[in-house]
Order: sequence, then structure tokens, then C-alpha cells
Amino acid sequence: GPKVLQIPSHQIIDMGQMVTLNCDPVSNHLYFYWYKQILGQQMEFLVNFYNGKVMEKSKLFKDQFSVERPDGSYFTLKIQPTALEDSAVYFCASSGQPGTEVFFGKGTRLTVV
Amino acid sequence: QQQVRQSPQSLTVWEGETAILNCSYEDSTFNYFPWYQQFPGEGPALLISIRSVSDKKEDGRFTIFFNKREKKLSLHITDSQPGDSATYFCAATLNNYAQGLTFGLGTRVSVFP
Repeated sequence: GPKVLQIPSHQIIDMGQMVTLNCDPVSNHLYFYWYKQILGQQMEFLVNFYNGKVMEKSKLFKDQFSVERPDGSYFTLKIQPTALEDSAVYFCASSGQPGTEVFFGKGTRLTVV
Repeated sequence: QQQVRQSPQSLTVWEGETAILNCSYEDSTFNYFPWYQQFPGEGPALLISIRSVSDKKEDGRFTIFFNKREKKLSLHITDSQPGDSATYFCAATLNNYAQGLTFGLGTRVSVFP
């Protein structure tokens, strides 16, 4: 089936540094999402992105977070600066049309030390 | 307060038995309820979904029962197979392009041969 690819699968970074998580969504999809899952907790919605703009974001999407998809390349989540509480698995997802299936990637495990 | 609650946290059944996973939600505006299956090291994959206009959805061995009045739903896995061993997430959303999915904590299902 359609695949959402996330790069890298693991990332360890020093607190205060910048990190960029990369996502290659399903090729003809138009809506892109990031979710965050802390170990033992539920997956939580961060943001969705359509037509070059953030459509909706949750309270977890701090000012230090930003998303973009320049020229149809990777859909990225940038955290600058990182904090210890940003350690989590970040899942990228994409969908074609509203109300259609949302496909998830395997996640990027981010560890901030 | 959790918007989507799942029970039990974990469930063990023998091969051939029916596994019943429960889910309840708070927000009465939710109208789309997908269930995701996740294997270790993988991202969540859509298993089956239901819209609030229906009270039952069946797909092979997987059936969702939905009670809008009580804001409850359940996933039944009949003739459980060892390959069904995974974590199952109930999710909910208002079915438009902007709203992200609200996930429960998941139910870990183990099927023993």
C-alpha cells in the first residue's frame, strides 16, 4: 500500500540545538500531519498542513516548532531550540482528500539529552 | 481529561476466540471513528472505520459496533489469529480537513495459539 517515509528513524540531539525531522508523504496526497507520542502515552495531534499553510495546530505545537514543505520536497518538522520534553516519537501522516484514509509513517524517535 | 478512552489496556485471547476492545469518547461533535492497528516498530495502519450515521461496520473478521447515544464503540475481532497480536488504537475526529485525530491510549492484544 501507499507508504509514508520518515527520515531518520532515530535522532539524538543536545538540548538547545535545532533538529529537523523529514517526511516523504504519499505522492499524490495533499494534507500532511505531525503527531507526537511520548512513551506510554497516547499519540497526540500537533499540526496539519495544506497548500503551503498550517491549517490547524494543537497546544502542543509550541512556538519553537515549525513546519514546511518547500517545492514539494520533504514535509519537515523543525524544532529550534529543542528541550528535554521534546523527547518522543514523532509520526508523520498524509491523506488525499478530507475524510479519506490517513497514512502514517513509522515514526522518528527523538531523544533530547 | 482524556477525550478518547480505551479498555482494557491489554487483552489476551486464544486463537479462534473473539477479542472485544472498547472505546468511549467525550466530544459529541466527533463523527468519524477509525481504528488503527500498530505492530512494534511500525506506524499505525488503518484497520476499519465507521461514521456516526452507522451503528455497525463489518470488514472480514473485524466489526465495529457504535452507540451514538452512549458515545461508545467496540471493535470485535472474531476467530482471532496469532498475527492479530498488536496494539489497537481507537481514534475520533470531526470529519473535516482541519481536525486532527484524537487517539486513545490503545489496547494491546495478544493471541496465543
